[in-house]
Amino acid sequence: DSGVTQTPKHLITATGQRVTLRCSPRSGDLSVYWYQQSLDQGLQFLIQYYNGEERAKGNILERFSAQQFPDLHSELNLSSLELGDSALYFCASSPTHPDSEAFFGQGTRLTVV
Amino acid sequence: GENVEQHPSTLSVQEGDSAVIKCTYSDSASNYFPWYKQELGKRPQLIIDIRSNVGEKKDQRIAVTLNKTAKHFSLHITETQPEDSAVYFCAACQTGANNLFFGTGTRLTVIP
Repeated sequence: DSGVTQTPKHLITATGQRVTLRCSPRSGDLSVYWYQQSLDQGLQFLIQYYNGEERAKGNILERFSAQQFPDLHSELNLSSLELGDSALYFCASSPTHPDSEAFFGQGTRLTVV
Repeated sequence: GENVEQHPSTLSVQEGDSAVIKCTYSDSASNYFPWYKQELGKRPQLIIDIRSNVGEKKDQRIAVTLNKTAKHFSLHITETQPEDSAVYFCAACQTGANNLFFGTGTRLTVIP
C-alpha cells in the first residue's frame, strides 16, 4: 500500500458525460500529480499541484480540469467524455519538489461507452 | 520542456540473462532519475533512483548508470527471473518545472 488513495477504482460512463476522480495523497505529501495511461501506453503527464497551487501542466485537454483542496486532496474533472478518454488515471504524490520518490495510487479505470 | 526517450519498447530475455534498458533526456538541468516497475494491472512502483552527483548505483540485481555528459541513463538487471517481467519506466526530474517526465516504457519478458 503506497498510502495514496484513489476513488473510485472503476468507473463506466457514457459519452458526453462528466466524471470526477478523487485522490488523497500520502500524509504530509504536498505535491500531487495526475497521469493518464491508455491501453498498453506509457504514462502521460496531465497536471501537477503543489500545496494547492497548479505547478505544471502537461498535455491536458481543455475538457479536463483539476484542483487541489486545502486538505491537499485533489480532484480531476473530465467532461464531455469521448470514447478515447477511456484509460487508467493515476494519481501520485511526493513530499516536496519532485527530486524524491513519487508514490502512485492504484489508479481509476475509466471506461467510456 | 524535458523529453525522455526510452529504448527498447519491448525486450525478451532468457531467465538468468541480463537485461538493459536505456533512456536519454534533453534538459541538462534534470538531476533526479528514478526507475519505476509496473506489473500488469498494478500501479508503478519505484525500484531504484539516481541523482546527478552519482554515476552508478546498485541494489542487489539492479543497477542504474548515469552519464551526464551524454545525457543518458540505463537500468541493468542481472540474473533475470520470471518475476522481473513487467513494464519499466524511466523518468527525469526537471528542476524548476516540478514534474517527473516519463519515458514511454519497456515491456520486459523473462522467458523461463
